[in-house]
Amino acid sequence: DTAVSQTPKYLVTQMGNDKSIKCEQNLGHDTMYWYKQDSKKFLKIMFSYNNKELIINETVPNRFSPKSPDKAHLNLHINSLELGDSAVYFCASSQDNHPLNTIYFGEGSWLTVV
Amino acid sequence: ILNVEQSPQSLHVQEGDSTNFTCSFPSSNFYALHWYRWETAKSPEALFVMTLNGDEKKKGRISATLNTKEGYSYLYIKGSQPEDSATYLCASHGQNFVFGPGTRLSVLP
Repeated sequence: DTAVSQTPKYLVTQMGNDKSIKCEQNLGHDTMYWYKQDSKKFLKIMFSYNNKELIINETVPNRFSPKSPDKAHLNLHINSLELGDSAVYFCASSQDNHPLNTIYFGEGSWLTVV
Repeated sequence: ILNVEQSPQSLHVQEGDSTNFTCSFPSSNFYALHWYRWETAKSPEALFVMTLNGDEKKKGRISATLNTKEGYSYLYIKGSQPEDSATYLCASHGQNFVFGPGTRLSVLP
């Protein structure tokens, strides 16, 4: 069983479209995250939710909106996609947001905007 | 140091060689240092979490040390094997949780 699963794995879409990436974790964790792997291959935090409440919201365009229907799910909605949004997006979770907790990652979603 | 840095960016070693690489992080407001192993087309997997100055962790042939006063951690791999080929990421948790760019290791048979 995949602990953190995200779908779709690959997504090719046109500029201006709205798309979503879904994420689910079956670990019973309280905290979930979205990371973006940028052009220099850095993993950068975008959002963090703890028990369905937003606790970190780094500087990302407001076209990106996370939605957490329950603590096992954190979906990423992207409106009006731009070429620069092309990247790999990783969902992750941890027991809670304590710094010593291991973060478990999904396998990534490759988004290509054309 | 304002960011998390890792060196070298990449390295190639022969099977059986031992190797090590460095993670540098801001020593102020430090709380924890994580190491992850990231194989191509897979998700990063946790190796170690360390928090105290002088901490040492070991898992099989891989070990890590932590110096919080000077802001660095070393990851050591003894007797490298081809299956060790991966990108090794460190992440420092201070005020925020920040990943380094990784060290890409290739072990040649």
